[in-house]
Amino acid sequence: DTAVSQTPKYLVTQMGNDKSIKCEQNLGHDTMYWYKQDSKKFLKIMFSYNNKELIINETVPNRFSPKSPDKAHLNLHINSLELGDSAVYFCASSPPGGTYSPLHFGNGTRLTVT
Amino acid sequence: DAKTTQPNSMESNEEEPVHLPCNHSTISGTDYIHWYRQLPSQGPEYVIHGLTSNVNNRMASLAIAEDRKSSTLILHRATLRDAAVYYCIFDAGNMLTFGGGTRLMVKP
Repeated sequence: DTAVSQTPKYLVTQMGNDKSIKCEQNLGHDTMYWYKQDSKKFLKIMFSYNNKELIINETVPNRFSPKSPDKAHLNLHINSLELGDSAVYFCASSPPGGTYSPLHFGNGTRLTVT
Repeated sequence: DAKTTQPNSMESNEEEPVHLPCNHSTISGTDYIHWYRQLPSQGPEYVIHGLTSNVNNRMASLAIAEDRKSSTLILHRATLRDAAVYYCIFDAGNMLTFGGGTRLMVKP
């Protein structure tokens, strides 16, 4: 069973489009995250949700809107896509305990904006 | 950003021990040190974490300097499956920010 699953794995789209990436975890964790990995392999946190409530929103354009319908799902919607949005996006989850608890990552969604 | 410094890459022979260093001179007294690794085309995978004492688990050992400004991840016997990018990070403000990591190459 995949613990943290993301769909789609690859996403190729044109500038200006709107797209969504879905994430689901079956670990029963309370906290979920979205990370962005750029071409230099730096992973930066974008959002953190705890029990469906936003707790961290790093400096991310408001074209990015996370949605958490329940604590097992955290989807990422991106409006008006730009070339600079091309990256690999990772969803993660963690049990209670804050950052003392290990993060469990999905396998990523490679977004290419042309 | 919580800053760590790691070598860009390291090489090891299969079945030999590997010591991956990390400097974190700005760490505060309550920040845990975390290590993750990322295999090709996969998400990062938790390896180990610790605060002050050395830590062991089934994957690796973590040796933390007495002043906590550096740590070393130890893989006791490297295998080809250990080839990955290893990230050393510490939390600051309830978030983990990953730096560039060390790319470990394992030669057969």
